[in-house]
Amino acid sequence: EAQVTQNPRYLITVTGKKLTVTCSQNMNHEYMSWYRQDPGLGLRQIYYSMNVEVTDKGDVPEGYKVSRKEKRNFPLILESPSPNQTSLYFCASSLAGYYGYTFGSGTRLTVV
Amino acid sequence: GQQLNQSPQSMFIQEGEDVSMNCTSSSIFNTWLWYKQEPGEGPVLLIALYKAGELTSNGRLTAQFGITRKDSFLNISASIPSDVGIYFCAGQTYSGGGADGLTFGKGTHLIIQP
Repeated sequence: EAQVTQNPRYLITVTGKKLTVTCSQNMNHEYMSWYRQDPGLGLRQIYYSMNVEVTDKGDVPEGYKVSRKEKRNFPLILESPSPNQTSLYFCASSLAGYYGYTFGSGTRLTVV
Repeated sequence: GQQLNQSPQSMFIQEGEDVSMNCTSSSIFNTWLWYKQEPGEGPVLLIALYKAGELTSNGRLTAQFGITRKDSFLNISASIPSDVGIYFCAGQTYSGGGADGLTFGKGTHLIIQP
């Protein structure tokens, strides 16, 4: 089944403790992207990647890192999480960026 | 970054009614997309629009790419209970390096009253 898989689905962590949210897609898509969703703010792009080793900042990149060492994986790294990063995070992928994105089921992160 | 104004913010309708929502922007987009999100899930693509003036249908859903490339609308005809959810518009631009990421509207929450 074609899908975008994120792990974990739920995560509670403490301020300052580094964490990684994994994202993997099995559709051989070139484009991958991370979004955060907050009440009243909708979905905002954090980072996106157009291919292996090619990444670019979205609208809210501060406090996040990404890497794209393989085509199928696009992990989101929070080096020192803070409470304002408590949010619902979505990973998405697209064949060529023009054809719409397929989203994962989300990771709900709480930073205390 | 670019911003999309999506309206209405929420809609309370009766089953069987038609629904209309729209998105506007101060800047031009090359692609308009419409997504639906249900509780506990990620957004699911409903319709993608690639040309100004394009009108595309997907079952009871119809969407149009505005002539000015700064707006789009989505219509749902004869709503049914499973239409409940949050509908998002998204715009995308193309730069020299390829397609940029998506800019989303804040969503229209559709609620169907029995």
